[in-house]
Amino acid sequence: GQQLNQSPQSMFIQEGEDVSMNCTSSSIFNTWLWYKQDPGEGPVLLIALYKAGELTSNGRLTAQFGITRKDSFLNISASIPSDVGIYFCAGRNYGGSQGNLIFGKGTKLSVKP
Amino acid sequence: NAGVTQTPKFRVLKTGQSMTLLCAQDMNHEYMYWYRQDPGMGLRLIHYSVGEGTTAKGEVPDGYNVSRLKKQNFLLGLESAAPSQTSVYFCASSYSFGYTFGSGTRLTVV
Repeated sequence: GQQLNQSPQSMFIQEGEDVSMNCTSSSIFNTWLWYKQDPGEGPVLLIALYKAGELTSNGRLTAQFGITRKDSFLNISASIPSDVGIYFCAGRNYGGSQGNLIFGKGTKLSVKP
Repeated sequence: NAGVTQTPKFRVLKTGQSMTLLCAQDMNHEYMYWYRQDPGMGLRLIHYSVGEGTTAKGEVPDGYNVSRLKKQNFLLGLESAAPSQTSVYFCASSYSFGYTFGSGTRLTVV
């Protein structure tokens, strides 16, 4: 089945640094989504992307829908302690009767105070 | 503004026992999903439903059954629990593109 390769798997950064993570697929997606999961909670939608090349921001977060439609990037600027958590990318292809989301395995972000 | 509510939040089962996890959403969403989350494995789809009375298998359906008798509820059943089913289970619902997740059920099978 379809798979998403998300990298890095984990990262430690100094507070104030910028963070970048990405997601790649062997398949084309029509929608890319980025979620964040806080410890003990379910994932929460951060950013949704619908068009190849689209660049969308949500506060200090910026995500891009790759031109090839096979990848997406998430950047976090000036990281703070509350950015800690697991970030998931998810892609959606409307082929078939139901375009279920395919999730990456997550990037675990830890911030050194 | 409840969103997606999962019960129970925690449960310990003995091998071979059965149980049902309940998911309820108050957003009138058509689609509902059950995922399991294991360390290093991300979120894996167990079963999903595209509307009341319908269910379909996801990536890892074995050992689980589901029912969607009412639009707002999606039940996940384990008929005979196994240690391999120790996991955190998440329910989600959606109208179109974005899923709304519950806060999870942490299940341990001993």
